[in-house]
Order: sequence, then structure tokens, then C-alpha cells
Amino acid sequence: AQSVTQLGSHVSVSEGALVLLRCNYSSSVPPYLFWYVQYPNQGLQLLLKYTTGATLVKGINGFEAEFKKSETSFHLTKPSAHMSDAAEYFCAVSRMDSSYKLIFGSGTRLLVRP
Amino acid sequence: NAGVTQTPKFRVLKTGQSMTLLCAQDMNHEYMYWYRQDPGMGLRLIHYSVGEGTTAKGEVPDGYNVSRLKKQNFLLGLESAAPSQTSVYFCASSQQSYNEKLFFGSGTQLSVL
Repeated sequence: AQSVTQLGSHVSVSEGALVLLRCNYSSSVPPYLFWYVQYPNQGLQLLLKYTTGATLVKGINGFEAEFKKSETSFHLTKPSAHMSDAAEYFCAVSRMDSSYKLIFGSGTRLLVRP
Repeated sequence: NAGVTQTPKFRVLKTGQSMTLLCAQDMNHEYMYWYRQDPGMGLRLIHYSVGEGTTAKGEVPDGYNVSRLKKQNFLLGLESAAPSQTSVYFCASSQQSYNEKLFFGSGTQLSVL
């Protein structure tokens, strides 16, 4: 069975500081991994995804994530936070087979202090 | 570009009432999905469709029905609403499968009293 764990329901950083949002997954087969962002009163938007190949994935708005199989992790980072990054971030996992399932984590709300 | 449009945006129901949520996409996507979002639980898949005329159950299908009579539309019905169905509902679509980028609507906030 697949599952996703996001450590920390809320993360607060100062503007200009490093952003690190943690995601660990469990999957019995090689996974596809995703990060989505949700701004207030909007639907989710894809930030980045990992399927195969390079384990460091770059996304939109300066975010990147690294797939670490040995740690079963897919943490999201950004070197310097901007006020506009304040949003809720969701990690998600799916399987490299015919299964339909895209399993979402419970989300991490990022707060950016001026 | 409209993308994925959900109607209505807000709705308040009394227990036992019925309603239909409409999702429309203008990107000619094959796959469409209905999710519900509850605090601290992320998004959970209710039902999905892999093409016109097809539907399938997701993780939490009980109490909901769906139909996909036209490729561009995906309807979510609640036959007899319950307070446990108070949630924010999101429709999404993708070109081929869940592994492709999902495009989400802006959501419907439903309260069942």
C-alpha cells in the first residue's frame, strides 16, 4: 500500500530564508512523486514531479525536490523564501503500474514572515 | 483560458437534501476526477473517469454518484446529504492518466447542516 507523510502541518520562515518542506513516502513499487501548491481559495497547481531519471527535479517558482530512494524521501526546497510563497503544499505519490491512485499527504502550510 | 470550471462555488444543504456539482473542462482531457478536501487529511479521491461514458470508484465513494455523459463534463451527485459530507470538493482533469499533470478547478465549499 502507498502512503505519504508530510512532517509538520505548519512551517514558518522569514522572507529570504531557506524553505524546507518534508515528505516521506512508502511504496512497494517504484513511485512517481509530486508536489502541488494551493494558494488561498484556489485549486491545486503542479509544482514539480519525479518519474524516472535525474533525482533532482526543478519546478516552477524556484522550487526543487530531490528523490532519495534510500531515505524514501522527496523533500521540497527553495533557497530564498518570498512572501508570495505563502500557501499550502501537498506531496503526492502514485505507482508505476496501472493503478489509478494518486495519494496525497495531509499538507504543510507555509507561512512567510516579513 | 477557462481550464476546469466548477459550479456552484458555495452551497448549504440540509441533511437529506440532494444536489449535483458540475465540473466542465475545455482542454479535451480524457481523465476526470472528483476529490474532497478535509482539514488535516489532504485530498481523497471520490470517483474518477477515464473517458466519456465510464466511471469508477475511488477511495471514499460511499454516498456519492457520478456521471460522464459528455467528455467535457463530470457530475458529482449527493442523493441524501449528510453532515459528514461537509467538505471542499475539487474537480480535476488530466490528458491521459493520473501520472500526468492534474488541472484543478477552484473548488466547491459544501456545508450540510
